[in-house]
Amino acid sequence: SAVISQKPSRDICQRGTSLTIQCQVDSQVTMMFWYRQQPGQSLTLIATANQGSEATYESGFVIDKFPISRPNLTFSTLTVSNMSPEDSSIYLCSVEGGTGANVLTFGAGSRLTVL
Amino acid sequence: QKEVEQNSGPLSVPEGAIASLNCTYSDRGSQSFFWYRQYSGKSPELIMSIYSNGDKEDGRFTAQLNKASQYVSLLIRDSQPSDSATYLCAVGGYQKVTFGTGTKLQVIP
Repeated sequence: SAVISQKPSRDICQRGTSLTIQCQVDSQVTMMFWYRQQPGQSLTLIATANQGSEATYESGFVIDKFPISRPNLTFSTLTVSNMSPEDSSIYLCSVEGGTGANVLTFGAGSRLTVL
Repeated sequence: QKEVEQNSGPLSVPEGAIASLNCTYSDRGSQSFFWYRQYSGKSPELIMSIYSNGDKEDGRFTAQLNKASQYVSLLIRDSQPSDSATYLCAVGGYQKVTFGTGTKLQVIP
């Protein structure tokens, strides 16, 4: 399965600022997925990023708040814009791969704390 | 109704016992079903995948799927303290995987 490098691993941010999370995969993948895991909660899909097209956002998530770039088949970024304490969360990059359809491999995650 | 539902637990079992984790889902068109294990502070890792009705065994783990009842389960035999983690049920559709809230399992030595 793919190896995913995600950074930063953690950060403490001030309210109103923006932070960009990077995700690098060791192989070419068609789709990359960005999930959010709020404290004590499960994973919620933010958006799906395809190379060469606009990201597809899930209900409740908008491009202005979470702009995504996908410049090539091995790299994507997620920006969390104009952050508030409610954005304190773990953000996870994932890709499909492995032994069957829809099997996901995750990066180590980026733990953001917004003060 | 949540798309994927799990009992949040914690589920406590003694070492060596069988742990039984359950999950229901709402989308009858779902085609793929997964169990992920997540240790505290870590990202999820795949334990089992199952795509057709019945049982699938891998070592100490058995996944069971009943599409008619929209029910997925995971059995862990000979539970070990190292199995203590949160287990996430996930259901796959077209280009999307939806996760349940997870069941926290505690294996008591």
